[in-house]
Amino acid sequence: QVQVQESGPRLVEPSETLSLTCTVSGGYVSNSYWSWIRQSPGKGLEWIGYIYNSGSANYNPSFKSRATISVETSKNQLSLRLSSVSAADTAVYYCARGHYVTYHYMDFWGKGTTVTVSS
Amino acid sequence: DIQMTQSPSSLSASVGDRVAITCRASQSIITYLNWYQQKPGEAPKVLIYGASSLQSGIPSRFSGGGSGTEFALIITSLQPEDSATYFCQQTYSVPYTFGQGTKVEVK
Repeated sequence: QVQVQESGPRLVEPSETLSLTCTVSGGYVSNSYWSWIRQSPGKGLEWIGYIYNSGSANYNPSFKSRATISVETSKNQLSLRLSSVSAADTAVYYCARGHYVTYHYMDFWGKGTTVTVSS
Repeated sequence: DIQMTQSPSSLSASVGDRVAITCRASQSIITYLNWYQQKPGEAPKVLIYGASSLQSGIPSRFSGGGSGTEFALIITSLQPEDSATYFCQQTYSVPYTFGQGTKVEVK
């Protein structure tokens, strides 16, 4: 059974960079698609991007190159960096594995981590 | 971006009722449509993928259908544990997008 856990600072100051880590057990980050998704009361669920093959990534253009997803295979982790944050980036951030055979859907999710952007 | 619109936004139904939730895409997504269930304080859980395929371990009272721009999630014989918010998601094209959610209350 794949297990996923997000971690990182709960509070980030405006204009700084949000950095989150997703630790995977029961599976390998190197052989799946991995997405970061966030949820806020104002915008609902937003797909930020995914990474696959340990380095190829696809992003939501809405994040205007602020987002970077990377993988550290030796630690079986992936990370999200979101630069120049503002209050609008306050949300629950989820890491989720993508099952991608014909159809792409997120089958294992972390519990999510709440990030607040505030000074 | 492909816009996903769900209806209704919320509904209340009794145990044993049949419930239908609709999801409309702003352009054809063929059958690249997933349904998720989310309970308070939890992450979403996939119920249906590819518009009509039931995810392993999900009760058979959940079913999905549709193609193109119109989709539906059906819950036959609603149970108390089905009280949750349901989201549709398209994975036809990037950026993947979600519906705004339908909150289901079980009376």
